Amino acid sequence: AQTVTQSQPEMSVQEAETVTLSCTYDTSENNYYLFWYKQPPSRQMILVIRQEAYKQQNATENRFSVNFQKAAKSFSLKISDSQLGDTAMYFCAFIKIQGAQKLVFGQGTRLTINP
Amino acid sequence: GAVVSQHPSWVICKSGTSVKIECRSLDFQATTMFWYRQFPKQSLMLMATSNEGSKATYEQGVEKDKFLINHASLTLSTLTVTSAHPEDSSFYICSGTQINSGELFFGEGSRLTVL
Repeated sequence: AQTVTQSQPEMSVQEAETVTLSCTYDTSENNYYLFWYKQPPSRQMILVIRQEAYKQQNATENRFSVNFQKAAKSFSLKISDSQLGDTAMYFCAFIKIQGAQKLVFGQGTRLTINP
Repeated sequence: GAVVSQHPSWVICKSGTSVKIECRSLDFQATTMFWYRQFPKQSLMLMATSNEGSKATYEQGVEKDKFLINHASLTLSTLTVTSAHPEDSSFYICSGTQINSGELFFGEGSRLTVL
């Protein structure tokens, strides 16, 4: 079974700073997707970034980038120039490509951006 | 991007009644639908996975006779909480995907309160 672990329950940084959220996962699969989702107080899940395991290049979306280390099964999210609107819960998630699919989430990290 | 419409967004019911939550994929065919339950300040816990036209696969500990999932078409999946009790009060979220696409789309969530 796949598991996703986020070891940082809460983080807090000042506006404009850079912050990195950690995520590790455990799987015997070789092909899969990894995601970071943001959940603001509205509780709508918002896709931040997605990484295909077969791609060595780290995904980037504007201020958001990942450090994907497949061998170490690590998938951290870096938020640059953090903004007040980045305050939210962030979830790391995993889904395998072949066979029975399950989207599995980590425990979440509550990120607060302070003015 | 693709949209999953989830209704109702919130519902209050009396103990012992049944409640149906619908998720509709508006502009794509959801071959697979995931149903999650989320308690306050916690992560999304997968309840079941349903593939169109097939019986849902329930996670360990989830009562299939209590949480009835139907996925009769590629655009509609429903979760019925039968004989609801106060402990069933929670936030329920659906997520639809096309198999092996690596793209997932979330509903807005439904907040259930059982009195």
